[in-house]
Amino acid sequence: AQKITQTQPGMFVQEKEAVTLDCTYDTSDPSYGLFWYKQPSSGEMIFLIYQGSYDQQNATEGRYSLNFQKARKSANLVISASQLGDSAMYFCAMREGSGGGADGLTFGKGTHLIIQP
Amino acid sequence: DTAVSQTPKYLVTQMGNDKSIKCEQNLGHDTMYWYKQDSKKFLKIMFSYNNKELIINETVPNRFSPKSPDKAHLNLHINSLELGDSAVYFCASSQAGPRVDIQYFGAGTRLSVL
Repeated sequence: AQKITQTQPGMFVQEKEAVTLDCTYDTSDPSYGLFWYKQPSSGEMIFLIYQGSYDQQNATEGRYSLNFQKARKSANLVISASQLGDSAMYFCAMREGSGGGADGLTFGKGTHLIIQP
Repeated sequence: DTAVSQTPKYLVTQMGNDKSIKCEQNLGHDTMYWYKQDSKKFLKIMFSYNNKELIINETVPNRFSPKSPDKAHLNLHINSLELGDSAVYFCASSQAGPRVDIQYFGAGTRLSVL
């Protein structure tokens, strides 16, 4: 079974609209971390936002927020007021465990977001 | 200054050759990783090192050998390259510990095996 599921292979959104990118995860570990990364067409991987499994509040970083619904095992990324520069691949990823070791991230297949003017 | 730098950015080579990709981080992190991104953009962990010690070694052919001369460097050597090795290889680093283990990635090395 997939540990990270991103159900939207591609999305078209009008500039200045808010965008929600879906991510569901599967783990039996009570301690885990959830990450979102952006990969523009230039290819680099850019860290956007982090949510810990024990965090009481949803994470926010500027225009990015993470809608964390633990019981539903979902960690959707919300981008407010989208801009043309937001066009990119977006990856949801999970680290199982408390983060004390050199744990690799498990990635979803990504969502290709295109912002239209 | 680039936090995690990989060289080269592009690598084109023939089947059967041996090649290396270098990675350096100046973030003072104690953990480094190699990931492979295939043609469908799927990213998968290959190796992780903590303080120069190999921690994760996923089911990767033993033609791939990571080497960590010190905490700031993690190189990837690939022997007898095959067509299926063509991919983008990413190096990443993080600091071990709860809530601080955000992995920062290099720009990637696009390997093309002809």
